[in-house]
Amino acid sequence: QSALTQPASVSGSPGQSITISCTGTISDVGLYHYVSWYQQYPGKVPKLMIYDVAYRSSGVSDRFSGSKSGNTASLTISGLQAEDEADYYCSSYTNNNTVIFGGGTKLTVL
Amino acid sequence: EVQVLASGGGLVQPGESLRLSCAASGFTFAITTMTWVRQAPGKGLEWLSGISGSGRDTFYADSVMGRFTISRDNSKNTLFLQMHSLRVEDTAIYFCARPPEGYDTDWSKLAFWGQGTLVTVSS
Repeated sequence: QSALTQPASVSGSPGQSITISCTGTISDVGLYHYVSWYQQYPGKVPKLMIYDVAYRSSGVSDRFSGSKSGNTASLTISGLQAEDEADYYCSSYTNNNTVIFGGGTKLTVL
Repeated sequence: EVQVLASGGGLVQPGESLRLSCAASGFTFAITTMTWVRQAPGKGLEWLSGISGSGRDTFYADSVMGRFTISRDNSKNTLFLQMHSLRVEDTAIYFCARPPEGYDTDWSKLAFWGQGTLVTVSS
């Protein structure tokens, strides 16, 4: 099964909003509301930011929000801050009872 | 405090086997699904395998099906990943992880990650 499709990179200036897309298929993103988003700094362990499409993990800023339409999920970060610069990964549960990750998106804060 | 700590990584030659362990503490291990995820150097995350709390149900990514086996010893709060026929492309940091509290049987989301253990497959 191929990885979910994410843009390799996105960028934005402080204070702006950015959206990272995550495209799957009818067998994963389109079928379940079990999409998660992770933030990972270089050399660090991934951190769960969003789960079940739109629920923020404990302690995560409300500047982070998630949504889904059809086979595509999205992570939006509003009021961009320098500390948001990191890699972001989406994941989805699949109809094979497995989980699939996206290829990852490098967010640059200009 | 919830903790998961992977160990057992190292340098092996192509075709060899290796068993990873993940020591868990701070939660009721026997009712919690556990997952292995890996990350090749400079690459993205790859979900490998999940196991139910009882160990009865296991699932694998196509890339490791038939070569890797996930298991657990609930009496020792330990998760395992037995890896056979290792390939150069299996070189990665291997993480064990569990779901958020309150989602013990759900492996679609991973809230607690260990630091990972590096597996290098090279001749």
